[in-house]
Amino acid sequence: AQKITQTQPGMFVQEKEAVTLDCTYDTSDPSYGLFWYKQPSSGEMIFLIYQGSYDQQNATEGRYSLNFQKARKSANLVISASQLGDSAMYFCAMSLSGGYQKVTFGTGTKLQVIP
Amino acid sequence: SAVISQKPSRDICQRGTSLTIQCQVDSQVTMMFWYRQQPGQSLTLIATANQGSEATYESGFVIDKFPISRPNLTFSTLTVSNMSPEDSSIYLCSVQTGLLTDTQYFGPGTRLTVL
Repeated sequence: AQKITQTQPGMFVQEKEAVTLDCTYDTSDPSYGLFWYKQPSSGEMIFLIYQGSYDQQNATEGRYSLNFQKARKSANLVISASQLGDSAMYFCAMSLSGGYQKVTFGTGTKLQVIP
Repeated sequence: SAVISQKPSRDICQRGTSLTIQCQVDSQVTMMFWYRQQPGQSLTLIATANQGSEATYESGFVIDKFPISRPNLTFSTLTVSNMSPEDSSIYLCSVQTGLLTDTQYFGPGTRLTVL
């Protein structure tokens, strides 16, 4: 079974600063994908970034980057130049690769950006 | 990616009644997923829906309570039956656009309140 742990229930960051949201995972399967989703107060789940377990380089998508440390089983999300619109819940998630697999989610981190 | 819509976006229902939630995708997908997010909690998979076959339910979820239909490759419904206040949640459908990707994209969610 897969497990995702997010130890930061809430985080504050000053506007225009960078912030790191922590995520560790556990699986015995060698082939998996790691994801980050953003959930604003409206409730929708917005896909942000993906990292495959065999990817050599850390994934980046605009202001989002995923700090993937495979040996430590961590997949931290870094948001650069925070904006007020970044205030939301952030969920780390994972699924096994191959076929159609369910996504296992962490408990989430609530990020608040302060002007 | 995929564009996913859900109806209704929110509803308030009386206990003992049923609600059917619709999920529409802008492209043909093999598998659709239904998740539940109880208040303040993370997402939990209810079932996976493959076109032309019965849905596969996760432990703790049963077909009598959450019947699912998948009549074609772009549409699915989830019914929440005989509702109780404990069913108050956000219900989200998601799709994986193909076997070459692990990423699931989510609809905007249906926010259900049961009185």
